[in-house]
Amino acid sequence: DGGITQSPKYLFRKEGQNVTLSCEQNLNHDAMYWYRQDPGQGLRLIYYSQIVNDFQKGDIAEGYSVSREKKESFPLTVTSAQKNPTAFYLCASSTGRDQPQHFGDGTRLSIL
Amino acid sequence: GEDVEQSLFLSVREGDSSVINCTYTDSSSTYLYWYKQEPGAGLQLLTYIFSNMDMKQDQRLTVLLNKKDKHLSLRIADTQTGDSAIYFCAESPNGNKLVFGAGTILRVKS
Repeated sequence: DGGITQSPKYLFRKEGQNVTLSCEQNLNHDAMYWYRQDPGQGLRLIYYSQIVNDFQKGDIAEGYSVSREKKESFPLTVTSAQKNPTAFYLCASSTGRDQPQHFGDGTRLSIL
Repeated sequence: GEDVEQSLFLSVREGDSSVINCTYTDSSSTYLYWYKQEPGAGLQLLTYIFSNMDMKQDQRLTVLLNKKDKHLSLRIADTQTGDSAIYFCAESPNGNKLVFGAGTILRVKS
């Protein structure tokens, strides 16, 4: 079945540690996105990529980094510079700009 | 600016209709969206409407769009307990990102 797979489902980070969240899609979508969700709030855009080897900052990119070396994959690294990383992270993809976005099941990141 | 507002909570009885309302600020969105989120899960795209349309019906779901008032609504007919979830309204002002409301918690009482 086609879809978006995020892993792991739960992740714990120690102080000063970088962690990487995986997002893979087999929908043949060109565009991929990372959002952050905090309790009782909507989602906010961290980074997006419209095409392989290109990505752009969203509204809250500080403390995060991404890469887009393959069309299917858009990993997100939460660096030690992100002082409040505890949140639910959601990856999405779409066929292109201004098209409906489809979401994965999310990764919940917590601090040890 | 970009802002999407939704009421926080709606409680209905099973079998009744539910209406979830949303207001948005940016009139340049090509589409407006409704997403559903169940506990601990990602977002499911429920339906979306092209900005030039007034209404879209999809089985039990009806979306109404009033562009003049920048008001979007989602009606769920014959609401079931499985419809209990958080519903998010979203606009896409520049085509690259979605701007979400804070979500409406729908509780369906049996």
